[in-house]
Amino acid sequence: SQKIEQNSEALNIQEGKTATLTCNYTNYSPAYLQWYRQDPGRGPVFLLLIRENEKEKRKERLKVTFDTTLKQSLFHITASQPADSATYLCALDIRQAGTALIFGKGTTLSVSS
Amino acid sequence: NAGVMQNPRHLVRRRGQEARLRCSPMKGHSHVYWYRQLPEEGLKFMVYLQKENIIDESGMPKERFSAEFPKEGPSILRIQQVVRGDSAAYFCASSPPGQGETEAFFGQGTRLTVV
Repeated sequence: SQKIEQNSEALNIQEGKTATLTCNYTNYSPAYLQWYRQDPGRGPVFLLLIRENEKEKRKERLKVTFDTTLKQSLFHITASQPADSATYLCALDIRQAGTALIFGKGTTLSVSS
Repeated sequence: NAGVMQNPRHLVRRRGQEARLRCSPMKGHSHVYWYRQLPEEGLKFMVYLQKENIIDESGMPKERFSAEFPKEGPSILRIQQVVRGDSAAYFCASSPPGQGETEAFFGQGTRLTVV
């Protein structure tokens, strides 16, 4: 069965540092991979999408990489701020196969000032 | 353009009752997805619907759960004879027509508590 693992449940870093979150998957070849942010009591909010033929995507302080050989995506937040504290979810986009977005459990990031 | 609307936000049901969760997708969106989130766990896919069709229900429990997305009106997730284990946050998401390369827009969820 398809499996998605996000490297750690919690990550604590200091303000100004770069946070790096990992997403590994098995048994599938998604055309796209997406990252979402979820705050407590709220629905997930889309951050970035990366295609299988793209190595890297950037948006402001966010950067995502996608290695289809390693079946891994890395999500970076540079110059992190306390407001970046949230749970970050990786999602495999397999809708081309007639199904849906499949999510990892998420990594909860805490940025201390 | 209003976002994905879910109601109610909170729902309390006694064991054995029925729960009906509603989701109105964003305007122009024809794809609806339902997810369940248990405390300390990730989003678990339940069902993917397009107007009047169930595309993938591989994540739905075989009994007591059903979903529909009629031609008119919201998508409904129905849970019959609820049990305590059904207590969770249920999220709906929608996306526009076409496959892939588009984000999913999530509602704020319905938090079901079974007492």
